[in-house]
Amino acid sequence: SQQGEEDPQALSIQEGENATMNCSYKTSINNLQWYRQNSGRGLVHLILIRSNEREKHSGRLRVTLDTSKKSSSLLITASRAADTASYFCATADNAGGTSYGKLTFGQGTILTVHP
Amino acid sequence: SQTIHQWPATLVQPVGSPLSLECTVEGTSNPNLYWYRQAAGRGLQLLFYSVGIGQISSEVPQNLSASRPQDRQFILSSKKLLLSDSGFYLCAWSLGVHQPQHFGDGTRLSIL
Repeated sequence: SQQGEEDPQALSIQEGENATMNCSYKTSINNLQWYRQNSGRGLVHLILIRSNEREKHSGRLRVTLDTSKKSSSLLITASRAADTASYFCATADNAGGTSYGKLTFGQGTILTVHP
Repeated sequence: SQTIHQWPATLVQPVGSPLSLECTVEGTSNPNLYWYRQAAGRGLQLLFYSVGIGQISSEVPQNLSASRPQDRQFILSSKKLLLSDSGFYLCAWSLGVHQPQHFGDGTRLSIL
């Protein structure tokens, strides 16, 4: 099964509203990352949160990490139509330093922001 | 600044034909390189990664192979394509372990 699983699978909101996406994972991690993908394009890195961090901000993005619950959330505040995209969480595990930066991606949340 | 290039952007190939997708990175040295496949509406599946020239690790058994003939060049190949090889192929690089990955714009491969 997937290491990272996002919830919900799809989210539809109006411009100006906040969007919250959740990610759950199963194993011990070194860090968790969030990526964005516009339709038909590559992924763009948004934010990285390390296992010893609980919250991180970047512009309108806020990420939280709860290692006890093995979960993370991505909050996009004051959403815009341009935020319409798929959002993925990805985990980097703590496999004894031999993981070479391998990431395990979830299935993603499709966010649609209506003008 | 660093850039990553993937080509071609789209490719339509018949079953049984060979494949070669190329990825190059500019502006950095000795990056970790990755090949992913993404099925429609799904997450990414790691196919291969490389930490140096000639060093390739395969994540899943499949009909594909990868090579790294130069420090910043990563090639995905197949001798005979299968219908199941269809998908969106993404190349990525990172500066090292536990660092963000930076993706190319992908190649959409359709097998007929």
